[in-house]
Parts: sequence; structure tokens; C-alpha cells
Amino acid sequence: SYVLTQSPSVSVAPGQTARITCGGANIGSKSVHWYRQKPGQAPVVVVHGDSDRPSGIPERFSGSNSANVAALTVTRVEAGDEADYYCQVWDSDSDQWVFGGGTKLTVL
Amino acid sequence: QVQLLQSGPEVKKPGASVKVSCKVSGNTLTELSIHWVRQAPGKGLEWMGGFDPDPENGGTVYAQKFHGRVTVTEDTSTDTAYMELRSLTSEDTAVYYCAIDMPLNWFDPWGQGTLVTVSS
Repeated sequence: SYVLTQSPSVSVAPGQTARITCGGANIGSKSVHWYRQKPGQAPVVVVHGDSDRPSGIPERFSGSNSANVAALTVTRVEAGDEADYYCQVWDSDSDQWVFGGGTKLTVL
Repeated sequence: QVQLLQSGPEVKKPGASVKVSCKVSGNTLTELSIHWVRQAPGKGLEWMGGFDPDPENGGTVYAQKFHGRVTVTEDTSTDTAYMELRSLTSEDTAVYYCAIDMPLNWFDPWGQGTLVTVSS
């Protein structure tokens, strides 16, 4: 089965840039989606289709995807960005939806 | 704007089954593909299964881990989707979410979640 690997945690100071990565075999050939989840809340999509932002998501959030790594970049990080972030793909070979293990973004 | 409203918390004994509902408003279920994702306490998101528009798959698709133990159904007359999980163990204690599968296979929006506690 397809596996997505995320670092457990990323820490950045306010105003700095956070980069959260999601590794997977040839992930560049898949469409990657990113979710933000704050404590006690349901996940919310922040980037879909590798780099598209839903309405209401700030331009500070951007996505990229190439080769074996996809990334979510958050520029000018704010305290309110502190949350767990998950990547997700649909694996067409197995017809399974797959989540990464999640990355906790801490704003110092 | 589509919204999903889930049923309330459940407490079940080991070996029992649970059925969680997810009511759609703002659209009709026939236009949507509902999937289910769970999250154990302090853990990550885990996809369980849902409706697959590909007719070759018989309308539903399940995570290999849950195959045979989970069933997703829907009642189009009430625009309500259901997820039933059988043979519960303490490891099934989790918040269960329903979510709409978008055309490129991402989930939006999500229901508010339903806590299922399995305890003797």
C-alpha cells in the first residue's frame, strides 16, 4: 500500500517561513492535498491539487509537488497557524485514499 | 453551501457494532460522494472508506485495514449517509468524521465528528 511520510514536528518563529514536507514514492505523479487541524476541530483543506488554495485561505499558504516530495509552505507565520497539518493523496493503483502521519507546526 | 451534520457520541462495549450518521444539507446525497475518516486520541487521520463513483467498484470502496468490518450506506430519501463498524475493540475508540470527496479526491467539507468510545 502507498505510504506518505511526514516529519512529526516543525517549529518556527512568528514572521518566519515554515516548510512542511510529505514524502512518497513518485508522489510528483499524484495530486496532493493538505489539511490543517486545530485542537478539537475537524480538518480543513488549505491546499488541494498540489497548489490550489480554496477561497478564504490566505496567500501565505502555498504548495508544491515534484519527484518524491510534496511540500506545504507557510510564509509570514502567525500564532494562529499553529496546528497539525496532514497531506493526503488518492492512490489510483489501489483505489485507496491515503493520509500522511501529520506534522505539528509550533509557533515559537 | 453544503454542510454535514453527524450523530452524537456513542459508548459501546467490545464486540458490539456502531452506526454513525451524517446528514447532508445544502445539496442532495445523489450529487455527492461521502467518505469516512477516523482519528484515534492523539493520533493522525485514517481513511476508512466511502462511495466510489467508478461503477467497476460496485459503488463503495474500503481501506484494506477495515475491509469486512465496515459498511457505508446511504438513504437518499433523507440525504443521510451511514457508517457501520462491527466487532469493536478498544482500538476503535476514535472520532469518526464524514467528509465529501471532491472530484480530484480531496475532502471538503467535513462533518463535526462523532466520538465513539469502546469500553467494557
